[in-house]
Amino acid sequence: QKEVEQNSGPLSVPEGAIASLNCTYSDRGSQSFFWYRQYSGKSPELIMFIYSNGDKEDGRFTAQLNKASQYVSLLIRDSQPSDSATYLCAVTNSGGGADGLTFGKGTHLIIQP
Amino acid sequence: GAGVSQSPSNKVTEKGKDVELRCDPISGHTALYWYRQSLGQGLEFLIYFQGNSAPDKSGLPSDRFSAERTGGSVSTLTIQRTQQEDSAVYLCASTFSLDYEQYFGPGTRLTVT
Repeated sequence: QKEVEQNSGPLSVPEGAIASLNCTYSDRGSQSFFWYRQYSGKSPELIMFIYSNGDKEDGRFTAQLNKASQYVSLLIRDSQPSDSATYLCAVTNSGGGADGLTFGKGTHLIIQP
Repeated sequence: GAGVSQSPSNKVTEKGKDVELRCDPISGHTALYWYRQSLGQGLEFLIYFQGNSAPDKSGLPSDRFSAERTGGSVSTLTIQRTQQEDSAVYLCASTFSLDYEQYFGPGTRLTVT
């Protein structure tokens, strides 16, 4: 049974600070890792994806992957109130084709003005 | 360009009735996925299509659930003899084959009374 674990929060971060969101996964065969943002009542929106160990930066967002520790994280720099949402970590073990994502239950992030 | 669209956006039905949910993927996306998000729960993968075929139906919750896709485009998820535990938001996502970033539609909120 593949599992993705996230701290449900809420994680409260002051505006302008760095928000750090963490995720662990159980399936060592996982190859692709995603972070989605979901506002209340809305559908998930893709923020970042990462396939290789190390860091991947996109604007204020940095995804970090450590396959040996089965750990993936998302850093949000210069946090804004509009970043307040639930952040979903998702993994798939697709080796070369489409597959379903296994999601964590999400971390509720609150950016305090 | 147009994103993933789903209809209806909301559906209220009586227990025991059949419902049909529709998903129209992003043009050119050959892979299509159905997920379910129940209140307080994470996203649950149901089924995916590569073209018109669904290689693995084991994620469907029960034999009351079925899905089809025709013409490599629109997909319908049918729930027969609905039960109250079927109440959830049903989300559809699509992606290019071999491209793992899945893009979600707005969802259909199903309420079974």
